[in-house]
Amino acid sequence: KQEVTQIPAALSVPEGENLVLNCSFTDSAIYNLQWFRQDPGKGLTSLLLIQSSQREQTSGRLNASLDKSSGRSTLYIAASQPGDSATYLCAVRPGSEKLVFGKGTKLTVNP
Amino acid sequence: DAGVTQSPTHLIKTRGQHVTLRCSPISGHKSVSWYQQVLGQGPQFIFQYYEKEERGRGNFPDRFSARQFPNYSSELNVNALLLGDSALYLCASSLPGQGREQLFFGEGSRLTVL
Repeated sequence: KQEVTQIPAALSVPEGENLVLNCSFTDSAIYNLQWFRQDPGKGLTSLLLIQSSQREQTSGRLNASLDKSSGRSTLYIAASQPGDSATYLCAVRPGSEKLVFGKGTKLTVNP
Repeated sequence: DAGVTQSPTHLIKTRGQHVTLRCSPISGHKSVSWYQQVLGQGPQFIFQYYEKEERGRGNFPDRFSARQFPNYSSELNVNALLLGDSALYLCASSLPGQGREQLFFGEGSRLTVL
């Protein structure tokens, strides 16, 4: 059974800091991995999708890496801003029908 | 273009009642999935539908059912509501891609069971 763990559960940083969020998964047989952002009480916004054959994806200040063999992914946020405050969720696609999510990392960026 | 739209956004029910949640996918998307997110947890997979057929089911009781219509919109039905069904119900849509496609989520329907 695929399990996804995100560390840390919560993170508080000052504005401008670079930071890394971690995601690990137990079974390396995945189609892809997707990072999402969730604001309180809201839906999920897709940030980055990494296919199993890829090593990393970049979008603006965000960079996500994937090491499938070790079951790890990281989301790097450069020059953090207060507007980046949200919960970040990692999800893997073990088969064609579903995503398996971690519990998320709650990020607070202080002005 | 409109994203994934869900209705209602919020609703309150009492134990034992029935609820129907609705989802309209992004135009051109033929696959719809439903997820349940309990407070403080990650979303859990409930169903996937593609071309009006159920393609996947998560570990949820038979009180949960869904269907997809010819226009690719979908309904999630929950019977005999329990307090533990209180959650944010999320709908996602995608293009067909045999598991490699990106999923796009709606804002969710917040269900409170009293």
